[in-house]
Amino acid sequence: GDSVTQMEGPVTLSEEAFLTINCTYTATGYPSLFWYVQYPGEGLQLLLKATKADDKGSNKGFEATYRKETTSFHLEKGSVQVSDSAVYFCALYSSASKIIFGSGTRLSIRP
Amino acid sequence: NAGVTQTPKFRVLKTGQSMTLLCAQDMNHEYMYWYRQDPGMGLRLIHYSVGEGTTAKGEVPDGYNVSRLKKQNFLLGLESAAPSQTSVYFCASNLVGLQETQYFGPGTRLLVL
Repeated sequence: GDSVTQMEGPVTLSEEAFLTINCTYTATGYPSLFWYVQYPGEGLQLLLKATKADDKGSNKGFEATYRKETTSFHLEKGSVQVSDSAVYFCALYSSASKIIFGSGTRLSIRP
Repeated sequence: NAGVTQTPKFRVLKTGQSMTLLCAQDMNHEYMYWYRQDPGMGLRLIHYSVGEGTTAKGEVPDGYNVSRLKKQNFLLGLESAAPSQTSVYFCASNLVGLQETQYFGPGTRLLVL
């Protein structure tokens, strides 16, 4: 069946470091892909999304490119800030009309 | 514009007790969803609704019931709580379905002893 695999956390970085959070998926067809972010004490909110191969989603300095050849949607940011500390979820909407979330990656940024 | 709100924020139940979680949205969204979030497992869809008066089962519906009597409200009920239902519950809503951005509430933390 369809699935999403995220790199396990927690990830701890210093401010201004480069961030990569890996996400790979298994799905038939061409799923839509999402990154959601959950700040402490809040619900999830959409960070970015991509709906077809080679699309790049971007928001707040974060980027992710839909790579069908490697079935990946890795999240990147060139220079992280303390305010980026949160839990990040990769998700896909499958051809079976299901939403599947990864297990989440907790990110902590040190000043 | 409050977005999606959830009541209560935190609750402790004893095994066998019942309770109802309330979700309310003020964005005139047709679709509403209930998820549970467990450590290491991401979010899993419990039930959803595609409009007032409708409900449907998601991935993990057993032990839960839902109702959508008003468009803005979506209630999740536990008739006889079990320790396995200890979790964080999130409500979400959107206009056109799972393929589009969902708007989440802040969550309800439930502990069943």
